[in-house]
Amino acid sequence: GNSVTQMEGPVTLSEEAFLTINCTYTATGYPSLFWYVQYPGEGLQLLLKATKADDKGSNKGFEATYRKETTSFHLEKGSVQVSDSAVYFCALSDPWYTGNQFYFGTGTSLTVIP
Amino acid sequence: EAQVTQNPRYLITVTGKKLTVTCSQNMNHEYMSWYRQDPGLGLRQIYYSMNVEVTDKGDVPEGYKVSRKEKRNFPLILESPSPNQTSLYFCASSSGRSTDEQYFGPGTRLTVT
Repeated sequence: GNSVTQMEGPVTLSEEAFLTINCTYTATGYPSLFWYVQYPGEGLQLLLKATKADDKGSNKGFEATYRKETTSFHLEKGSVQVSDSAVYFCALSDPWYTGNQFYFGTGTSLTVIP
Repeated sequence: EAQVTQNPRYLITVTGKKLTVTCSQNMNHEYMSWYRQDPGLGLRQIYYSMNVEVTDKGDVPEGYKVSRKEKRNFPLILESPSPNQTSLYFCASSSGRSTDEQYFGPGTRLTVT
């Protein structure tokens, strides 16, 4: 079956620190992979995505590479800002779904301190 | 502007009083979902719909109903709310293509006393 496992939080970093949030997946086929971000008091919004192996998604200084060999999609940013404080969700979309299409990780809360 | 709207955004109600949370999308999306978000539990899917008149249970469907009579609307119904349904609820929609993301509504914060 399909599932997504992401690193437990909360994560607290100082401004300008390097960020990695780990995400691994299990899938029966070749899913598309997504990172969503949820800022305080808001809904989830797409941060980046990758739809095939070795693709790199990037947005707002964040990057993640679709690694089929390690079934991973780790989120990275070289220098975080206070405004990056949010909850981050890793997700996959099953291309062969006959029922549920989307599977989410449990979310990782990030706090960046000045 | 492409969007998913939910109403109401905030609701305080009492145990047993039926309520409906509306969800509407303007992107002609086929796939729609409802989730609840609780501290420490992440997002849990309640129901989803792959098209008009096609709905199915997610991970936590007990105590909820849905309907999909039109493509754009996917209301969530709580026939007899209980305090354990106090939560933050999100509606989402997508095209149904696996390479496309879900679009989320702004959320509905429900408190059942």
